Amino acid sequence: QVQLEQSGAEVKKPGASVKVSCKASGYTFTSYYLYWVRQAPGQGLEWMGWINPKSGGTSYAQNFQGRVTMTSDTSINTVYMELNRLRSADTAMYYCARGDIVERGPHDFWGQGTLVTVSS
Amino acid sequence: DIVMTESPDSLAVPLGERATINCKSSQSVLYTSNNTNYLGWYQQKPGQPPKLLVYWASRREIGVPDRFSGSGSGTDFTLTISSLQAEDVAVYYCQQYYSAPFTFGPGTRVDIK
Repeated sequence: QVQLEQSGAEVKKPGASVKVSCKASGYTFTSYYLYWVRQAPGQGLEWMGWINPKSGGTSYAQNFQGRVTMTSDTSINTVYMELNRLRSADTAMYYCARGDIVERGPHDFWGQGTLVTVSS
Repeated sequence: DIVMTESPDSLAVPLGERATINCKSSQSVLYTSNNTNYLGWYQQKPGQPPKLLVYWASRREIGVPDRFSGSGSGTDFTLTISSLQAEDVAVYYCQQYYSAPFTFGPGTRVDIK
């Protein structure tokens, strides 16, 4: 069965960086795009971007341009999302989600989420 | 960016009654070359990640009860729960994946009346 296993919770200070991992299993890793979505406490869903695990190609939402980097390691079926220059507004649950075989598609399987807390 | 809006913000419906959620996009999400609406609906319960219910505006995801249905085209869409069950209490989000960034609506909270 399809599973996306994310890394554990992180606590960071303002200005620091965080790198969240998402390990995929149960399907052909290089055949599907992976997306990142975050959710601040009590708030809605904010789409961050996608990565094509096969090519390494990425697309980032404007809100995160220059601060986010998504990468993939096909040897271990894992994608990463690194967010730099953290601020308190980045405190949120970060989710990875599987997409389609093309860049535009529904998000059919989701990781359990990684809570990132930014606090001095 | 395409802006997604949902209405109402919240609703409370008696058990067994119909619940209707509306979603509107600021521009069409209908891809005319394949006549397909790039629109999905998700359900999120407290402490859980979102769950895909409906994709391509009207296709029900495998395992989703048939009381959930999606309709609409272009810029106006609806998610209907035909007979509300206790386990349907959640927040429901629409999302367009027509054009990056793939924006979500603000969510509609559904409760039992």
